[in-house]
Amino acid sequence: EVQLLESGGGLVQPGGSLRLSCAASGFTFRSYAMSWVRQAPGKGLEWVSADGSTTYYADSVKGRFTISRDNSKYTLYLQMSGLRAEDTAVYYCAKADAYSPATGIFDYWGQGILVTVSS
Amino acid sequence: QSVLTQPPSVSAAPGQKVTISCSGSSSNIGNNYVSWYQQFPGTAPKLLIYDNERRPSGIPDRFSGSKSGTSATLGITGLQTGDEADYYCGTWDSSLSAVVFGGGTKLTVL
Repeated sequence: EVQLLESGGGLVQPGGSLRLSCAASGFTFRSYAMSWVRQAPGKGLEWVSADGSTTYYADSVKGRFTISRDNSKYTLYLQMSGLRAEDTAVYYCAKADAYSPATGIFDYWGQGILVTVSS
Repeated sequence: QSVLTQPPSVSAAPGQKVTISCSGSSSNIGNNYVSWYQQFPGTAPKLLIYDNERRPSGIPDRFSGSKSGTSATLGITGLQTGDEADYYCGTWDSSLSAVVFGGGTKLTVL
């Protein structure tokens, strides 16, 4: 059974940093692209970043967020810096259906973790 | 604004059929496959349709997808109150090199 479990969220001040983790199990982690997708309170889904055959970022986070993965630990990370109030959202870890992120197909999602940016 | 355009809400009676549209451009829907996601309040999205029209295992055939040009459509037949949720379309945008989603459509089963 595929499982994705996010951790590392919480309250952070504007300009601060936070690192999210996503522990994966139930599939061959290194063989699939992984993404972070966020959802601001009461808003829709916003893709943030993907890592697989290539790494991609949304323009809204480029230069501030860094995605990485440790295939030996089956873990995906999102290092977030220069955080802004508009980064406040539930962040989901999502598994792609292939090693290329360029499909937009997310067949499994984590339960999400809340990041709040506020003073 | 979202790159993909969906109606904010749709509604229909139990047992009826509803369609949700998703409009894009040649850089996204026009040249890439579309996926659809269902999300209940407070829970993670769930994949409903991928590759425009294919259903993952366990998704009932009441749910269908289609694509024509730069638009895609999700269809739900035999509506049930349990289908009340938010629905999102998504795809790859080759110009942005990014995954893009629609703004979401809230389905109400009256």
